[in-house]
Parts: sequence; C-alpha cells; structure tokens
Amino acid sequence: ETGVTQTPRHLVMGMTNKKSLKCEQHLGHNAMYWYKQSAKKPLELMFVYNFKEQTENNSVPSRFSPECPNSSHLFLHLHTLQPEDSALYLCASSQAGGGKYEQYFGPGTRLTVT
Amino acid sequence: QQQVKQSPQSLIVQKGGISIINCAYENTAFDYFPWYQQFPGKGPALLIAIRPDVSEKKEGRFTISFNKSAKQFSLHIMDSQPGDSATYFCAAVTRGQNFVFGPGTRLSVLP
Repeated sequence: ETGVTQTPRHLVMGMTNKKSLKCEQHLGHNAMYWYKQSAKKPLELMFVYNFKEQTENNSVPSRFSPECPNSSHLFLHLHTLQPEDSALYLCASSQAGGGKYEQYFGPGTRLTVT
Repeated sequence: QQQVKQSPQSLIVQKGGISIINCAYENTAFDYFPWYQQFPGKGPALLIAIRPDVSEKKEGRFTISFNKSAKQFSLHIMDSQPGDSATYFCAAVTRGQNFVFGPGTRLSVLP
C-alpha cells in the first residue's frame, strides 16, 4: 500500500452519466495530481493541486472537473464523457517544497465509457 | 524540450540475465530522476531515484547509471527474475515539482 487510495476501482458509465472519482492520501503531502493512463501512451498529467490551489491544467476538456476540498482529498467529477475517455485514472501525491521530488500513486480507477 | 525519451518499448530477458532500460532528456532544469515500476492493475510504484550530482546509485539488484553530460540515464536490473516482469517508467522532475514521465518499457522475464 502506498498510502494513496482511490475509489471506485472500476467504473462503467454511459456518455450521459455524471460520476465522480475519489482520491485520498494518508501521507501528509501537500500536492495532489490526476493522471490519465491509456494503452501505449505516456502518462498524461491532467491536474495539479499544490497546497489545495490548482496550479496546472494541461488543456483538459471541461467534461473533467477537479475538486480539492483539503490537502488529503481530491475528486475528479465526470460528465458527458466520450468513449475515448476510457482509461486508467491515477491519483498521486507528493510533498512540494520538501526537497524530495517523489510522487506516490494510488491503484487507479479503470474507467469504461460506453 | 519537456519530453523524456525511453527505450526499448519492450524487452524480453531470460531469468538471471541483465535488463537495461535507457532514458534521455533535454531540459537542464530537471533535477531528480526517479524510476517507477507498474504491475498490471496497480498504480506505478517508486522503485529507485537519483540526483544529477551522482553517477550511480544501487539498491539491491537495481542500479541507476547517470550521465549528466549526455543527459542520459539508465536502469539496470541484475539477476532478473520473473517477478520483475512489469512496465517500467523513467521520470524527470524539476525543483518546481514538474514531473515528466517516459512512455514506459514493458519487461518480460522468462523463467
């Protein structure tokens, strides 16, 4: 266990559904990340929250909406997704400013959009 | 310039052999170079990491070799075991916590 948990582990949703992915870190870190991992593609950084403030949004479509209510929790709200959004969504955390540049990943949510 | 190149894309090694994965970068602002190991159905897990002021770091059977002038670094897995079969990602990180990952290498170690 890395100290980063994600729920649900698997999600199947239709294109008109609204769902949310949840991430929680128990490491006392102050930065959290959402990544998209598709087959045969590099990890794609979607969002970064540093000290609860969104610091990066890598041109992600508005059908993905992040929320970081505190430094331990991160959500990814999903609505009107497309089949090409099917992927493994990974959450990670790190300690920004601590001199250790290491991210710890959760197990991911396998999302299938039908 | 933000890209990290990684090769090979896939690698097959016999049990007991040496697995070597290579990465290269361009951005001199990168200040930390971790490697991650990912098993199917799991998230990537930090394996070993190196700072650019060190040319080699060894932890058990895993060794990172770092060539600052060539902007290249590599992961060596000695005495490779079937349990090492996984996807390996190199990464490069700036002091501003900007993480850039390589595309990954799928390693298969044959028994």
